Parts: sequence; C-alpha cells; structure tokens
Amino acid sequence: AQSVTQLDSQVPVFEEAPVELRCNYSSSVSVYLFWYVQYPNQGLQLLLKYLSGSTLVKGINGFEAEFNKSQTSFHLRKPSVHISDTAEYFCAVGDFSSGSARQLTFGSGTQLTVLP
Amino acid sequence: GAGVSQSPSNKVTEKGKDVELRCDPISGHTALYWYRQSLGQGLEFLIYFQGNSAPDKSGLPSDRFSAERTGGSVSTLTIQRTQQEDSAVYLCASSLGQGFRYTFGSGTRLTVV
Repeated sequence: AQSVTQLDSQVPVFEEAPVELRCNYSSSVSVYLFWYVQYPNQGLQLLLKYLSGSTLVKGINGFEAEFNKSQTSFHLRKPSVHISDTAEYFCAVGDFSSGSARQLTFGSGTQLTVLP
Repeated sequence: GAGVSQSPSNKVTEKGKDVELRCDPISGHTALYWYRQSLGQGLEFLIYFQGNSAPDKSGLPSDRFSAERTGGSVSTLTIQRTQQEDSAVYLCASSLGQGFRYTFGSGTRLTVV
C-alpha cells in the first residue's frame, strides 16, 4: 500500500517570500501525484496533478510542483506567497499499478500560514 | 447541482446515538467516495461506489459504519452507536467515471460528546 509523508505540519512564511511544501511517497511503479488545498470550512480543491510527461507541473494560483522519481518526492513551490494562500495543503498519491485506481492516499497535511 | 453538496455541515451528537450524513454528488458523476479527516491527520478512505458495482468498503473502520447509495446518486453514511473517536470531518467526493478527477464537498463536521 502507498504511503505519503508531508514532512512539515506547519509552515509560517512572510508575505511575498518563496515557499516549498515537501511531500514524499513510498515507491511504486505507476503513480499519479496530486496537491490539494483546503481553505477553512471548505472542501478540498485540486491545485495541480502529475499524471505523465513533464516532471514540472504548473497549477493554479501560481503554484508548481516537481516530480522526482529517484527521490520519490513531489514538492510544492511558489516563488512569492500572498496572505490569501493561507490554507492547509495535502499531497496525495494514486496508485495505478494494481489496476485499481479507485482511491487516493493522502498525506497528513501542511498548514501554510502567510504572515504580513 | 454545481458542486458536491453535503448535509448537515455540522452535527453534534451524544455518545451512543446513531447519525446519518448525506452526500449529493454532481449530477452524472458515477463514482462517489467517502473520506474521514481527523484533527491533524490526512484523509482516510472509507468507502467507494462506482455505478452499479458492489461498493469497495475496505476503508470502513468498524461494523458500526455503513453507507448506501440510492439510484446511483445520493449517498448516506450511517454511524451507529457513535463513539468520541468518531469525531471528525467526513468528506464526500464524486468523479465522472473511474479516475482521480475528484470534486470534494465541504464536509460534515461531526462532534460526539
């Protein structure tokens, strides 16, 4: 079974500074990788996804992530954050190797707090 | 509707009572998922419905948990004899067919006192 590790539970950062949220997953032959964002009292919204192709994936709101197969990582980055980016961010992995694509495995989340 | 609708948004119940949580998926979405989000933890898969196939119940934590999906649309998650450890946010998601393009609802925050 897949596992996903988000190394930082809390990341405080000042406005307009760069940020990186780390995500590592257990190795598998075929994985799909996702980042979701959850604003207070809301459901999860998809930020970006890696299915195949270019390892640098661009998402909404200026976020991007890089798939690194050798390090089994999928870190999320943004060069300059805004107050409105304050939210919880979840990394998730979907495993197609078993032929069952029915569920995602989520990390425990990283709370990003952007300070003025 | 335009999105996945869950009700109620908040539920406080006494230990030992039964609760029902409702999910109304996006019209036409054949796949429906229930996840549980406990404080400080990620999302825990509970159950998955796909069309008329038998549901994947492999994530249900105990036999106090059950779910059904009527007419391939609305789903109800039932927790019997609630315990304090059941307190969590229960999230529903739907997708068009089998795959990972999920749309999540806003969740039901369940508090067992």
